[in-house]
Amino acid sequence: DTGVSQNPRHKITKRGQNVTFRCDPISEHNRLYWYRQTLGQGPEFLTYFQNEAQLEKSRLLSDRFSAERPKGSFSTLEIQRTEQGDSAMYLCASTPTQPSGNEQFFGPGTRLTVL
Amino acid sequence: AQSVAQPEDQVNVAEGNPLTVKCTYSVSGNPYLFWYVQYPNRGLQFLLKYITGDNLVKGSYGFEAEFNKSQTSFHLKKPSALVSDSALYFCAVRDMPRRGSTLGRLYFGRGTQLTVWP
Repeated sequence: DTGVSQNPRHKITKRGQNVTFRCDPISEHNRLYWYRQTLGQGPEFLTYFQNEAQLEKSRLLSDRFSAERPKGSFSTLEIQRTEQGDSAMYLCASTPTQPSGNEQFFGPGTRLTVL
Repeated sequence: AQSVAQPEDQVNVAEGNPLTVKCTYSVSGNPYLFWYVQYPNRGLQFLLKYITGDNLVKGSYGFEAEFNKSQTSFHLKKPSALVSDSALYFCAVRDMPRRGSTLGRLYFGRGTQLTVWP
């Protein structure tokens, strides 16, 4: 399968615990995005990487959230001291830099439930 | 600021009938427009996009969309709906790349649940 993969697919945790999600983009896609989707809403942008550089972070990304893409390939999203409001689907997407009008390819998402 | 509106939370249509899912947008400059579909507990699947050129764009699974600049709309259409088309549909917009702009962030609507009954 050459699509975007995300692990785990589901995560249930207790409030206050830390969680980490992984995204493996399509090979050679140098742009990687994280989005968050809550029930009844469209995905909302969290952060963006061009290769290993994190070029933008949304205001939604509080200081409890951190994302990395150390070698410009896979990315991780960590949430520290989880809160019930963090419960959502976390989506990863990738796209090549050129051409500029390329669509983003989404992974299946990681559904987080904070108890 | 860029934004997308999907005025209908739900669209219901009988199989075989034409369907339309509405989308209007607001961007500074010329838009790149996209439609995605989401099945339960799945990620988003790309359907079609408008970048430039013909206002009528064709995509996957027989879907098409018409870009209307004067009405700032990008409605999704299909001439004959199938039960298997039942899913959640999202319209998204991004601005054209230019110096200092956010490179490629998508702004999504709230989604429209399409139900096609037999």
